Amino acid sequence: EPEVTQTPSHQVTQMGQEVILRCVPISNHLYFYWYRQILGQKVEFLVSFYNNEISEKSEIFDDQFSVERPDGSNFTLKIRSTKLEDSAMYFCASSSTSGGSFNEQFFGPGTRLTVL
Amino acid sequence: QKEVEQDPGPLSVPEGAIVSLNCTYSNSAFQYFMWYRQYSRKGPELLMYTYSSGNKEDGRFTAQVDKSSKYISLFIRDSQPSDSATYLCAMSARSQGNLIFGKGTKLSVKP
Repeated sequence: EPEVTQTPSHQVTQMGQEVILRCVPISNHLYFYWYRQILGQKVEFLVSFYNNEISEKSEIFDDQFSVERPDGSNFTLKIRSTKLEDSAMYFCASSSTSGGSFNEQFFGPGTRLTVL
Repeated sequence: QKEVEQDPGPLSVPEGAIVSLNCTYSNSAFQYFMWYRQYSRKGPELLMYTYSSGNKEDGRFTAQVDKSSKYISLFIRDSQPSDSATYLCAMSARSQGNLIFGKGTKLSVKP
């Protein structure tokens, strides 16, 4: 069964360093998302991406964040200068498209980011 | 008022019990209502979704949406220890829109 994969599973970094989180969405999907979950808190939407551009972003997704689809398979989230409060589990998700009907977002297993 | 409210529990029930999980919301624009299950340190996995108001049944699971009350529910019949997980409600205004999650209810089903 196709699944979303994410690497690494755990990333430890020093405050101020840049990190890149990687995702391989399901191959025929066209919509891509990043969410994060701070320990003990809600899963929060960060950004959605379609047709090689950001389609929607939340207030959390400020200038320190960027997303990219560098090739036909990977979808990345970059945090330019990490802060302590960026420590969280980051989930990638993808969905297909079929007009206006519901399209399930499939989530990856997450990358745990720890900022020291 | 928070956009989606969900009692985080924890909720502990004996095997075979009927479990009722609920969320309330404030945004009238939500049209898609979902229940996800999340195991520890894993990504959320969709259990069921409902479009607009109404009921939907899938095996032991029933999802209900009451848009007039801005209230959604998930019922689990004949609960099993394997149902032990965190259950997240999620909502969206559009079919491809970003999901707004509740905090999740941690459920433990004891054998």
